[in-house]
Amino acid sequence: GENVGLHLPTLSVQEGDNSIINCAYSNSASDYFIWYKQESGKGPQFIIDIRSNMDKRQGQRVTVLLNKTVKHLSLQIAATQPGDSAVYFCAENSSNTGKLIFGQGTTLQVKP
Amino acid sequence: NAGVMQNPRHLVRRRGQEARLRCSPMKGHSHVYWYRQLPEEGLKFMVYLQKENIIDESGMPKERFSAEFPKEGPSILRIQQVVRGDSAAYFCASSRSAGGPTANYGYTFGSGTRLTVV
Repeated sequence: GENVGLHLPTLSVQEGDNSIINCAYSNSASDYFIWYKQESGKGPQFIIDIRSNMDKRQGQRVTVLLNKTVKHLSLQIAATQPGDSAVYFCAENSSNTGKLIFGQGTTLQVKP
Repeated sequence: NAGVMQNPRHLVRRRGQEARLRCSPMKGHSHVYWYRQLPEEGLKFMVYLQKENIIDESGMPKERFSAEFPKEGPSILRIQQVVRGDSAAYFCASSRSAGGPTANYGYTFGSGTRLTVV
């Protein structure tokens, strides 16, 4: 399953399928990007990050893709599991200023 | 190794009262960041503090809001004369140094304080 842009804030996928969550960031000067997972009643939890000198980075079951030309970031989750159900946020940072700018967020619902 | 501790977890205040939110950073962290999250929205940066110094307060409302991070004790976010629009979740993050929110510097969020103004 895939959401296109920020106009579809909820993504519903079948357990075992791959998920793709998209994010358009705002600041051309941003050089560091993070994906966070936020479960109900909890704070954001770091998933994966990427610097602007890279276009792809892989973790365990997750991959982040960065397209600086169109200021687009995506998070791919392989073999989505019920435990992946949460809200996912992209965040951008510029030159280690300490301040993160968060996107709107996408709710991922995993159907058993 | 305890994470970032925020208290209280839930806070209810009547309009006009003061709200004080506390954040104890992770051990060894001397940089604290406060964010506000309205329902169904992303987190919005408020303020970045180092021990006894405010580094960046560009996201703080000009009135009623203040933050401090004293040499001893937790960081405090203070909201005076609360209004219903202040109802939100307030998150604190901490890091080891001024290297920004990179994973290398241990930038970690607490579980937040949910403020409800009635």
